[in-house]
Amino acid sequence: KAGVTQTPRYLIKTRGQQVTLSCSPISGHRSVSWYQQTPGQGLQFLFEYFSETQRNKGNFPGRFSGRQFSNSRSEMNVSTLELGDSALYLCASSLAFRRENGYTFGSGTRLTVV
Amino acid sequence: EDQVTQSPEALRLQEGESSSLNCSYTVSGLRGLFWYRQDPGKGPEFLFTLYSAGEEKEKERLKATLTKKESFLHITAPKPEDSATYLCAVQAWAGNMLTFGGGTRLMVKP
Repeated sequence: KAGVTQTPRYLIKTRGQQVTLSCSPISGHRSVSWYQQTPGQGLQFLFEYFSETQRNKGNFPGRFSGRQFSNSRSEMNVSTLELGDSALYLCASSLAFRRENGYTFGSGTRLTVV
Repeated sequence: EDQVTQSPEALRLQEGESSSLNCSYTVSGLRGLFWYRQDPGKGPEFLFTLYSAGEEKEKERLKATLTKKESFLHITAPKPEDSATYLCAVQAWAGNMLTFGGGTRLMVKP
């Protein structure tokens, strides 16, 4: 069974640019969440999508946005990149309302802003 | 605001030396408490979900327990391959997001 696939694995961008990250959830999973992981702040929730609708949003500026497509694949976008946006961005998928297997995370996209 | 604190931040053990990791939490109505393992350069790997105080779950050398304020991850006779960062997270009934602790970095020496 294929896991959560995130692309690209690594990305280097310049301050002020924008970036789009992609996440393909496990087949059948309709809930997709995004997290940012940094050494200083740890794992922080960005947003969650279910059936193409954003259900929850974390405490991040409006430069961070996302969307989900009808096939459950999700993208997140960061505009006007800042040095502090350098982080590991993780996507997690789950079967809605089924917590027994938790949330399955992808390997992440490592974003470096220079 | 939901909060999760893990201790210690780092733990060095000799192979076979059992120990426990602590996760203290405050949450507005616990929907679930999750334990994950994360290896360098990889995403977190799910270990357990606990739902209510008194619950226990086991998997190989790991055992997770839950009280109303804390969860413990007990590691019995650890092996070097158990070396990783262990993350604790809570999920409240109010939303589907996970609130993570800072993690415990475990190093098991042969």
